Amino acid sequence: DSGVTQTPKHLITATGQRVTLRCSPRSGDLSVYWYQQSLDQGLQFLIQYYNGEERAKGNILERFSAQQFPDLHSELNLSSLELGDSALYFCASSVEGVAGVSYNEQFFGPGTRLTVL
Amino acid sequence: DQQVKQNSPSLSVQEGRISILNCDYTNSMFDYFLWYKKYPAEGPTFLISISSIKDKNEDGRFTVFLNKSAKHLSLHIVPSQPGDSAVYFCAATYTGNQFYFGTGTSLTVIP
Repeated sequence: DSGVTQTPKHLITATGQRVTLRCSPRSGDLSVYWYQQSLDQGLQFLIQYYNGEERAKGNILERFSAQQFPDLHSELNLSSLELGDSALYFCASSVEGVAGVSYNEQFFGPGTRLTVL
Repeated sequence: DQQVKQNSPSLSVQEGRISILNCDYTNSMFDYFLWYKKYPAEGPTFLISISSIKDKNEDGRFTVFLNKSAKHLSLHIVPSQPGDSAVYFCAATYTGNQFYFGTGTSLTVIP
């Protein structure tokens, strides 16, 4: 158990819909990262938040957005869903060094499997 | 743009032998590299890392080698055990914020 929790575990929805994925980081970790893993693909970095602020952005579509709340949990919002958005979505957290920069390991949650029909 | 590549999707090794997993990268700015292991239905778990100022880091049965001139790193597992069967991802960063992952290599250790 990494200490990172993600809900829900599975999500099945239809094209055009909007969903919210939730992540609670390990106690004390200020940074949260979101990744997408599509079939036969590596983990694609989407976005990082550090103590409530966006820190780094990767290949995140405009239809996707995220935020980190004062209690440090984070939500990833996916809208206007397409078939190609079906994937595993992982959240990770890490202990930080200076100003949100971390060369430390990331602790991953178990993921949310999104299926868009 | 896949900046970190794992060109072998799968690898099978006999128990007790050495497993060698390879990873190539294209961005010469990367200065920190990590290996993660992933079991089915679980998130990746950290295995070992190496800074670009080193060329080798060892932790028990796991050793990571870094060849900066070739932009290549490898993970050696000696001796391999059936419990090592998993998908292994290499990752790299130069910002400490954005991490680039490879597509993974599925290792099967045959008893």
